[in-house]
Amino acid sequence: EPEVTQTPSHQVTQMGQEVILRCVPISNHLYFYWYRQILGQKVEFLVSFYNNEISEKSEIFDDQFSVERPDGSNFTLKIRSTKLEDSAMYFCASSVRASPSSGANVLTFGAGSRLTVL
Amino acid sequence: AQSVTQLDSHVSVSEGTPVLLRCNYSSSYSPSLFWYVQHPNKGLQLLLKYTSAATLVKGINGFEAEFKKSETSFHLTKPSAHMSDAAEYFCVANTGGFKTIFGAGTRLFVKA
Repeated sequence: EPEVTQTPSHQVTQMGQEVILRCVPISNHLYFYWYRQILGQKVEFLVSFYNNEISEKSEIFDDQFSVERPDGSNFTLKIRSTKLEDSAMYFCASSVRASPSSGANVLTFGAGSRLTVL
Repeated sequence: AQSVTQLDSHVSVSEGTPVLLRCNYSSSYSPSLFWYVQHPNKGLQLLLKYTSAATLVKGINGFEAEFKKSETSFHLTKPSAHMSDAAEYFCVANTGGFKTIFGAGTRLFVKA
């Protein structure tokens, strides 16, 4: 069964450093997402990406965050200057739907990248 | 605004007994509803989905969920728990946009 793969599985970084989390979505999927889960809290939507641009973002996704699809397979989340509160599990997801208003948007998630900021 | 409430943060059952994980949603529009499961160090796996077809939805591993509009509920059930069902379960809603809303999660413990 096709999978969404994420690397690294765990990254430890110092506050203020830049971090790039990588994702390889399912090959025929058109929509890409990042979610995060701070320990003990809900899974929160960060951003969605379609046709090489951000389609929607949450209030969490401020100027320190950016996303990119640098080639035909990878989808990355960059955190420019990490803060302690960025410590979380970050999930990448992808979906196949061509139109989000035309029915259920079923997301396939990766295993997550755990980010620890010291 | 849409929201998802999972009524129990933890549920503990004995192996072989029924499982009930409760979920209520709030949405201005007819939502699509999902249950995902997360095993330790694994990704979020789709268990089942409701998309305005049959109100009783069957998923993988013997799980079912029933959409009840009058109660705004989408509870997850399984007739007989197995040790391998121990995991975190998330109720999720989507009203057709890009943003999918997660409940807080329910951790299921299964005792031998």
